Amino acid sequence: GNSVTQMEGPVTLSEEAFLTINCTYTATGYPSLFWYVQYPGEGLQLLLKATKADDKGSNKGFEATYRKETTSFHLEKGSVQVSDSAVYFCALSDNQGAQKLVFGQGTRLTINP
Amino acid sequence: DAGVIQSPRHEVTEMGQEVTLRCKPISGHNSLFWYRQTMMRGLELLIYFNNNVPIDDSGMPEDRFSAKMPNASFSTLKIQPSEPRDSAVYFCASSPAGGARGNQPQHFGDGTRLSIL
Repeated sequence: GNSVTQMEGPVTLSEEAFLTINCTYTATGYPSLFWYVQYPGEGLQLLLKATKADDKGSNKGFEATYRKETTSFHLEKGSVQVSDSAVYFCALSDNQGAQKLVFGQGTRLTINP
Repeated sequence: DAGVIQSPRHEVTEMGQEVTLRCKPISGHNSLFWYRQTMMRGLELLIYFNNNVPIDDSGMPEDRFSAKMPNASFSTLKIQPSEPRDSAVYFCASSPAGGARGNQPQHFGDGTRLSIL
C-alpha cells in the first residue's frame, strides 16, 4: 500500500540555519504530495503542495520538489526563524477521488534564538 | 471564511460515559475526515465520508466508535462507552472535490482534546 516515511525528529536548529526535513514515499500511480504544519494547540495547516513530477511547491520561504525518480519530497528553508517551530507532516494523496491522504509520522522542529 | 469548526475544544469525562464530538465542515466541501492523534500512534485516519456517505471506516478502532454525517454541514463522532485509552486529540478535516488526482488539500479544525479518566 501507499506509505510516507519522514526523517525522525526531533530536530533542533539555531535561528537562520538551513533546514531540510527528508520525506520519501511509496505509491502506485501519480499521487499529489503535501507538506502540512501543526503549531502547538492547533490543527494541521497546508504549507505547500505539488501535484506532478518536477513541480516545486513553495510558501513562507519553504520549498519542496516532487522527485519521482527518487520518490522524495524533501522540505527545505534557507533561513529558519523561531516562529517556524512546529511539527511538520509529509503526506500523499491516495488518488481515490475523495482526497484521502496518507501521512508520515511527523517531525518536530524546534528553533532556538 | 469560516474554517472547519469542532466542538467541544476540550472534554474531560469518566470512563464508561458516552462522548460525542461534533464537526462543521467548510461550506461546499464534499469530503469529511475524522482523525485521532496521540503521541504513541501519531495521526490516524478513523473514517471518511464523501457526499455524506461513509467510504472507509477501517480505521475505527472498535464497535465503541461510530460516526455519522446526517447532512453536508454536520458530522458527529461518538464513543460509547469511553475508555481511558481513547484519550487523544480528535481532528475533523474537510476538502472539496478534486477528481482522481487527489490534488485538493484537506482543511483541519483545531481539534477536540479528549481526556477519559
